Amino acid sequence: DADVTQTPRNRITKTGKRIMLECSQTKGHDRMYWYRQDPGLGLRLIYYSFDVKDINKGEISDGYSVSRQAQAKFSLSLESAIPNQTALYFCATSDPPPSGHNEQFFGPGTRLTVL
Amino acid sequence: AQSVTQLDSQVPVFEEAPVELRCNYSSSVSVYLFWYVQYPNQGLQLLLKYLSGSTLVESINGFEAEFNKSQTSFHLRKPSVHISDTAEYFCAVSEYGRGSNYKLTFGKGTLLTVNP
Repeated sequence: DADVTQTPRNRITKTGKRIMLECSQTKGHDRMYWYRQDPGLGLRLIYYSFDVKDINKGEISDGYSVSRQAQAKFSLSLESAIPNQTALYFCATSDPPPSGHNEQFFGPGTRLTVL
Repeated sequence: AQSVTQLDSQVPVFEEAPVELRCNYSSSVSVYLFWYVQYPNQGLQLLLKYLSGSTLVESINGFEAEFNKSQTSFHLRKPSVHISDTAEYFCAVSEYGRGSNYKLTFGKGTLLTVNP
């Protein structure tokens, strides 16, 4: 089984709808991240969580919210989806320093289309 | 804050040719450096990393990268590419040490296309 899983893998939704993307991990890592990938822009950090009670905004958090339900689960929500949120979304995990060196392990991604 | 510049957005090469994907970073403190690879329709996988020690690091599939502190570079090279190396490659940097948050900053990616 994969260490980092994301559901759904593909989603098409309409403008204004609320949508949740879910991430689960079996690696036992404390740190979890949500990124979006757009062609030509690389990966940009949306939110990150260093433990269940520590959640932080990344560089592009507007329009998104997150929930860290447990060490192993980190969900990303779009309260009211808009077309420019169409992108590939990745969840990642890492160990804290010094052991983890911030090497991050990625899920397979969720392709979201907002019409 | 750290930043990463990948100098080429696309690199087309012929099979068995050598390739170099360039990466420069900016940081005021010590860094860890990574190359990730994304094959078509897949997630990101770690290709290789520099943490400390030898400045030349290698992957299991023939890629290597050299950390050059004076030039703040971490270029990725392979002496002979295969069709299966076609993918997007991302360079990433993470600051470490007192006061750093260990976030990973990615470059915008280089699409390597290997043609027969």
